[in-house]
Amino acid sequence: AQKVTQAQTEISVVEKEDVTLDCVYETRDTTYYLFWYKQPPSGELVFLIRRNSFDEQNEISGRYSWNFQKSTSSFNFTITASQVVDSAVYFCALILQGAQKLVFGQGTRLTINP
Amino acid sequence: DTGVSQDPRHKITKRGQNVTFRCDPISEHNRLYWYRQTLGQGPEFLTYFQNEAQLEKSRLLSDRFSAERPKGSFSTLEIQRTEQGDSAMYLCASSSGLAAYEQYFGPGTRLTVT
Repeated sequence: AQKVTQAQTEISVVEKEDVTLDCVYETRDTTYYLFWYKQPPSGELVFLIRRNSFDEQNEISGRYSWNFQKSTSSFNFTITASQVVDSAVYFCALILQGAQKLVFGQGTRLTINP
Repeated sequence: DTGVSQDPRHKITKRGQNVTFRCDPISEHNRLYWYRQTLGQGPEFLTYFQNEAQLEKSRLLSDRFSAERPKGSFSTLEIQRTEQGDSAMYLCASSSGLAAYEQYFGPGTRLTVT
């Protein structure tokens, strides 16, 4: 069975600090996809990024960057120069190739204080 | 493109009553998913449709739950004889099947059973 673990339940930082959200996953399959979603207070899950298991290149999008390391089964998410609008719950998720079910971690509640 | 919409956004009901939720996916998305999210947890998969066919159901979907997608467009999720344990956010998502497993979520329906 697949499992996603986000060990950090809550993180609180001051605006402009960098913050890293950890994600560790478990699967015996070799082909899978990893995701990060943002859930603001409104409740809607917002898609941020998808990574396939064969692409370990780090990705940067503006203030956001993602570090995928297959050797440690981790897919961590870093926000640089955090802003109050980044406050939300962030979920890491995994889906196997050929499957339809996203398996989510428990989420990390990120609070950015002004 | 209009996103995934769900109705109602909030529902309060008494234990034992039946409730029905509606989801309208992104137009032309042929895949539709229902997830349930309880407080402090990540979403959990309930069921999946490809067009009008319900192809996968989670063990979480007890006999009191039924989902339909009669014309391959909108979907309904009905809960019969609601219990307090059914209180949760019910999330709907859709995908085109072409965008490598990217699921786009609606705002959810928050159910409170009193």
